[in-house]
Amino acid sequence: SAVISQKPSRDICQRGTSLTIQCQVDSQVTMMFWYRQQPGQSLTLIATANQGSEATYESGFVIDKFPISRPNLTFSTLTVSNMSPEDSSIYLCSVVRGGRGTDTQYFGPGTRLTVL
Amino acid sequence: QKEVEQNSGPLSVPEGAIASLNCTYSDRGSQSFFWYRQYSGKSPELIMFIYSNGDKEDGRFTAQLNKASQYVSLLIRDSQPSDSATYLCAVTVGSARQLTFGSGTQLTVLP
Repeated sequence: SAVISQKPSRDICQRGTSLTIQCQVDSQVTMMFWYRQQPGQSLTLIATANQGSEATYESGFVIDKFPISRPNLTFSTLTVSNMSPEDSSIYLCSVVRGGRGTDTQYFGPGTRLTVL
Repeated sequence: QKEVEQNSGPLSVPEGAIASLNCTYSDRGSQSFFWYRQYSGKSPELIMFIYSNGDKEDGRFTAQLNKASQYVSLLIRDSQPSDSATYLCAVTVGSARQLTFGSGTQLTVLP
Protein backbone atom coordinates (compact mmCIF):
# COMPACT_ATOMS: atom_id res chain seq x y z
CA SER A 1 0.00 0.00 0.00
CA ALA A 2 1.03 3.63 0.42
CA VAL A 3 1.18 6.09 3.28
CA ILE A 4 -0.48 9.29 2.12
CA SER A 5 -1.14 12.40 4.16
CA GLN A 6 -3.20 15.44 3.31
CA LYS A 7 -3.29 18.89 4.83
CA PRO A 8 -5.55 20.36 5.98
CA SER A 9 -7.88 17.56 7.04
CA ARG A 10 -10.78 19.98 7.01
CA ASP A 11 -11.45 23.67 6.58
CA ILE A 12 -14.29 26.12 6.53
CA CYS A 13 -13.79 28.92 4.04
CA GLN A 14 -15.56 32.03 2.89
CA ARG A 15 -16.97 32.46 -0.58
CA GLY A 16 -14.49 33.99 -3.01
CA THR A 17 -11.36 32.84 -1.23
CA SER A 18 -8.93 30.07 -2.26
CA LEU A 19 -7.60 27.04 -0.42
CA THR A 20 -4.52 24.99 -1.22
CA ILE A 21 -4.57 21.32 -0.26
CA GLN A 22 -1.32 19.43 0.13
CA CYS A 23 -0.73 15.73 -0.54
CA GLN A 24 2.43 13.98 0.65
CA VAL A 25 3.37 10.36 -0.14
CA ASP A 26 5.85 8.23 1.77
CA SER A 27 7.82 7.28 -1.34
CA GLN A 28 8.19 8.30 -4.95
CA VAL A 29 5.25 7.63 -7.23
CA THR A 30 4.81 8.37 -10.89
CA MET A 31 1.08 8.89 -10.96
CA MET A 32 -0.95 11.04 -8.59
CA PHE A 33 -4.59 11.95 -8.99
CA TRP A 34 -7.00 14.40 -7.42
CA TYR A 35 -10.65 13.45 -6.88
CA ARG A 36 -13.69 15.26 -5.56
CA GLN A 37 -16.49 13.65 -3.59
CA GLN A 38 -19.52 15.87 -3.22
CA PRO A 39 -21.91 15.23 -0.34
CA GLY A 40 -23.67 11.90 -0.75
CA GLN A 41 -21.98 11.28 -4.08
CA SER A 42 -19.28 9.04 -5.45
CA LEU A 43 -15.79 10.10 -6.47
CA THR A 44 -15.12 12.16 -9.59
CA LEU A 45 -11.66 12.55 -11.04
CA ILE A 46 -10.52 16.17 -11.26
CA ALA A 47 -7.08 15.75 -12.82
CA THR A 48 -3.92 13.74 -13.11
CA ALA A 49 -0.95 15.49 -11.51
CA ASN A 50 2.08 15.01 -13.74
CA GLN A 51 5.57 15.59 -12.41
CA GLY A 52 7.41 18.19 -14.45
CA SER A 53 4.50 19.09 -16.71
CA GLU A 54 1.00 20.54 -16.66
CA ALA A 55 -1.74 18.55 -15.00
CA THR A 56 -4.25 16.77 -17.21
CA TYR A 57 -7.81 17.83 -16.41
CA GLU A 58 -11.02 15.87 -16.87
CA SER A 59 -14.03 17.25 -18.64
CA GLY A 60 -15.73 19.87 -16.51
CA PHE A 61 -12.61 20.87 -14.59
CA VAL A 62 -10.27 23.71 -15.60
CA ILE A 63 -6.85 24.85 -14.52
CA ASP A 64 -8.00 28.34 -13.55
CA LYS A 65 -10.39 26.89 -10.99
CA PHE A 66 -8.24 23.97 -9.80
CA PRO A 67 -4.55 24.74 -10.34
CA ILE A 68 -2.31 21.81 -9.49
CA SER A 69 1.38 21.63 -8.76
CA ARG A 70 3.60 18.55 -8.75
CA PRO A 71 7.10 19.72 -7.89
CA ASN A 72 8.48 16.25 -7.19
CA LEU A 73 7.55 12.57 -7.06
CA THR A 74 6.26 12.62 -3.48
CA PHE A 75 4.23 15.83 -3.29
CA SER A 76 1.36 17.63 -4.98
CA THR A 77 -0.99 20.49 -4.24
CA LEU A 78 -4.50 21.26 -5.42
CA THR A 79 -5.87 24.78 -5.10
CA VAL A 80 -9.60 25.42 -5.10
CA SER A 81 -9.89 28.99 -6.37
CA ASN A 82 -12.58 31.62 -5.98
CA MET A 83 -14.67 29.21 -3.94
CA SER A 84 -18.44 29.02 -3.88
CA PRO A 85 -20.71 26.84 -1.72
CA GLU A 86 -20.90 24.37 -4.63
CA ASP A 87 -17.22 23.58 -4.01
CA SER A 88 -18.06 22.10 -0.62
CA SER A 89 -16.77 18.56 -0.98
CA ILE A 90 -14.17 16.10 0.16
CA TYR A 91 -11.02 16.37 -1.92
CA LEU A 92 -8.85 13.28 -2.13
CA CYS A 93 -5.47 12.60 -3.62
CA SER A 94 -4.50 9.14 -4.72
CA VAL A 95 -1.44 7.31 -5.97
CA VAL A 96 -0.88 4.23 -8.08
CA ARG A 97 1.23 1.41 -6.74
CA GLY A 98 1.99 -1.93 -8.33
CA GLY A 99 3.12 -5.19 -6.78
CA ARG A 100 -0.20 -7.01 -6.29
CA GLY A 101 -0.58 -8.34 -9.81
CA THR A 102 -1.87 -5.09 -11.17
CA ASP A 103 -1.53 -1.40 -10.48
CA THR A 104 -3.80 -0.40 -7.64
CA GLN A 105 -4.80 3.01 -6.44
CA TYR A 106 -4.62 4.13 -2.84
CA PHE A 107 -6.31 7.19 -1.38
CA GLY A 108 -5.26 9.78 1.11
CA PRO A 109 -7.47 10.57 4.10
CA GLY A 110 -9.16 13.46 2.28
CA THR A 111 -9.72 17.14 2.95
CA ARG A 112 -13.26 18.09 3.94
CA LEU A 113 -14.00 21.56 2.62
CA THR A 114 -17.02 23.63 3.59
CA VAL A 115 -17.60 26.92 1.79
CA LEU A 116 -19.96 29.40 3.41
CA GLN B 1 -25.89 5.91 -19.80
CA LYS B 2 -23.52 6.05 -16.86
CA GLU B 3 -20.20 4.37 -17.42
CA VAL B 4 -20.31 2.40 -14.18
CA GLU B 5 -23.59 1.54 -12.51
CA GLN B 6 -24.26 -0.12 -9.18
CA ASN B 7 -27.48 -1.46 -7.69
CA SER B 8 -29.03 1.47 -5.96
CA GLY B 9 -29.40 0.13 -2.43
CA PRO B 10 -29.41 0.69 0.39
CA LEU B 11 -28.93 -3.00 1.06
CA SER B 12 -29.61 -4.57 4.43
CA VAL B 13 -28.63 -8.12 5.37
CA PRO B 14 -28.66 -9.93 8.71
CA GLU B 15 -25.40 -10.78 10.42
CA GLY B 16 -23.95 -14.03 9.05
CA ALA B 17 -25.70 -13.76 5.70
CA ILE B 18 -24.16 -13.30 2.27
CA ALA B 19 -24.21 -9.76 0.91
CA SER B 20 -24.21 -9.47 -2.88
CA LEU B 21 -23.14 -6.22 -4.52
CA ASN B 22 -23.43 -5.73 -8.25
CA CYS B 23 -21.83 -3.46 -10.81
CA THR B 24 -22.15 -3.10 -14.58
CA TYR B 25 -19.96 -1.09 -16.90
CA SER B 26 -20.47 0.25 -20.39
CA ASP B 27 -16.97 0.45 -21.88
CA ARG B 28 -15.80 -2.87 -23.32
CA GLY B 29 -12.25 -1.54 -23.13
CA SER B 30 -12.41 -1.70 -19.34
CA GLN B 31 -9.43 -3.66 -18.12
CA SER B 32 -9.28 -3.73 -14.34
CA PHE B 33 -12.03 -3.72 -11.78
CA PHE B 34 -11.82 -2.66 -8.17
CA TRP B 35 -13.99 -2.76 -5.10
CA TYR B 36 -13.47 -0.12 -2.46
CA ARG B 37 -15.10 0.13 0.94
CA GLN B 38 -15.81 3.56 2.37
CA TYR B 39 -16.88 4.09 5.95
CA SER B 40 -18.74 7.29 6.71
CA GLY B 41 -16.32 10.20 6.96
CA LYS B 42 -13.38 8.13 5.75
CA SER B 43 -11.58 7.74 2.45
CA PRO B 44 -12.05 4.69 0.20
CA GLU B 45 -10.15 1.56 1.18
CA LEU B 46 -9.24 -1.04 -1.44
CA ILE B 47 -10.83 -4.42 -0.79
CA MET B 48 -10.20 -6.36 -3.98
CA PHE B 49 -9.30 -6.07 -7.62
CA ILE B 50 -9.95 -8.44 -10.50
CA TYR B 51 -9.01 -8.37 -14.15
CA SER B 52 -9.67 -11.89 -15.43
CA ASN B 53 -13.01 -13.54 -16.00
CA GLY B 54 -14.14 -15.76 -13.18
CA ASP B 55 -13.99 -15.64 -9.42
CA LYS B 56 -11.33 -14.32 -7.11
CA GLU B 57 -11.52 -15.05 -3.41
CA ASP B 58 -9.86 -13.26 -0.50
CA GLY B 59 -11.03 -14.33 2.92
CA ARG B 60 -14.74 -13.58 3.22
CA PHE B 61 -14.76 -11.61 -0.02
CA THR B 62 -15.26 -12.98 -3.53
CA ALA B 63 -15.13 -10.84 -6.65
CA GLN B 64 -16.74 -12.17 -9.82
CA LEU B 65 -16.08 -10.82 -13.30
CA ASN B 66 -17.95 -11.56 -16.51
CA LYS B 67 -16.56 -9.44 -19.31
CA ALA B 68 -19.03 -10.76 -21.89
CA SER B 69 -21.90 -9.48 -19.76
CA GLN B 70 -19.90 -6.44 -18.59
CA TYR B 71 -20.68 -7.35 -15.03
CA VAL B 72 -18.64 -7.48 -11.84
CA SER B 73 -19.88 -8.39 -8.39
CA LEU B 74 -18.67 -8.62 -4.82
CA LEU B 75 -19.90 -11.26 -2.41
CA ILE B 76 -19.33 -10.88 1.30
CA ARG B 77 -19.79 -14.12 3.21
CA ASP B 78 -20.62 -14.29 6.91
CA SER B 79 -21.43 -10.58 6.92
CA GLN B 80 -20.52 -8.70 10.07
CA PRO B 81 -21.84 -5.39 11.42
CA SER B 82 -18.34 -4.00 10.79
CA ASP B 83 -18.96 -4.57 7.07
CA SER B 84 -21.58 -1.83 7.15
CA ALA B 85 -20.24 0.79 4.74
CA THR B 86 -20.61 2.11 1.22
CA TYR B 87 -19.07 -0.15 -1.41
CA LEU B 88 -17.71 1.51 -4.52
CA CYS B 89 -17.09 -0.26 -7.80
CA ALA B 90 -14.38 1.29 -10.00
CA VAL B 91 -12.89 0.45 -13.38
CA THR B 92 -9.95 1.45 -15.50
CA VAL B 93 -10.17 1.63 -19.27
CA GLY B 94 -7.36 0.45 -21.52
CA SER B 95 -3.92 1.37 -20.27
CA ALA B 96 -5.18 4.37 -18.32
CA ARG B 97 -4.83 4.23 -14.56
CA GLN B 98 -7.60 6.70 -13.85
CA LEU B 99 -10.55 5.19 -12.01
CA THR B 100 -14.16 5.66 -12.98
CA PHE B 101 -16.40 5.05 -10.01
CA GLY B 102 -19.95 3.87 -9.69
CA SER B 103 -22.33 5.69 -7.39
CA GLY B 104 -21.79 3.20 -4.58
CA THR B 105 -24.07 0.84 -2.66
CA GLN B 106 -24.69 1.41 1.02
CA LEU B 107 -24.65 -1.87 2.94
CA THR B 108 -26.02 -2.30 6.43
CA VAL B 109 -25.43 -5.55 8.31
CA LEU B 110 -27.99 -5.94 11.07
CA PRO B 111 -26.88 -7.61 14.32
